[in-house]
Amino acid sequence: DAGVIQSPRHEVTEMGQEVTLRCKPISGHDYLFWYRQTMMRGLELLIYFNNNVPIDDSGMPEDRFSAKMPNASFSTLKIQPSEPRDSAVYFCASRGTSGGTGELFFGEGSRLTVL
Amino acid sequence: AQSVTQPDIHITVSEGASLELRCNYSYGATPYLFWYVQSPGQGLQLLLKYFSGDTLVQGIKGFEAEFKRSQSSFNLRKPSVHWSDAAEYFCAVGAGYSGGGADGLTFGKGTHLIIQP
Repeated sequence: DAGVIQSPRHEVTEMGQEVTLRCKPISGHDYLFWYRQTMMRGLELLIYFNNNVPIDDSGMPEDRFSAKMPNASFSTLKIQPSEPRDSAVYFCASRGTSGGTGELFFGEGSRLTVL
Repeated sequence: AQSVTQPDIHITVSEGASLELRCNYSYGATPYLFWYVQSPGQGLQLLLKYFSGDTLVQGIKGFEAEFKRSQSSFNLRKPSVHWSDAAEYFCAVGAGYSGGGADGLTFGKGTHLIIQP
């Protein structure tokens, strides 16, 4: 069974450009999470969805960040315009509901560098 | 609000020696506790989890962890480390969604494990 798939794995862009990160969750999982990892702040939860609906976006740093989940198998995290302080590794994770224990399954991450 | 503290940013252990990584949590209800490992350039992989029952849980790669409610701790242990264990280790706490909780996990800042030959 395929795991969580993220793309791109690496992105280098210039300040002011739009960045779109993509995620395909594990089939059948109804929760999807976006995390950001930096040396200074560790792993931070940005937003999560349940059945494609955003539930909590309180971790989204500012209006430059937006996330969508148009269907159960695809989500995007967009930064527009990007800034150097957005440089980080962005992880997508998913989990199921029935009879589980809250375990998250992580993708390999998208490393973003904003110059 | 829930929180996780991993007091050791770095730990250096000789290959073959025993290991204990510390984790303390703050949570208002019965916690669901996890340890994840992250190798360089990789995503996080679950090592083990605790949600009820026996307070000593076994995980993959020879790791185990013990839940101590009185100390709000969930320390990770391994009797003999291998060079391949060098990685970043994260402790996490969350609500069990089967009971209605639906938050994402809250992670500690991580402990970087260095293995000396």
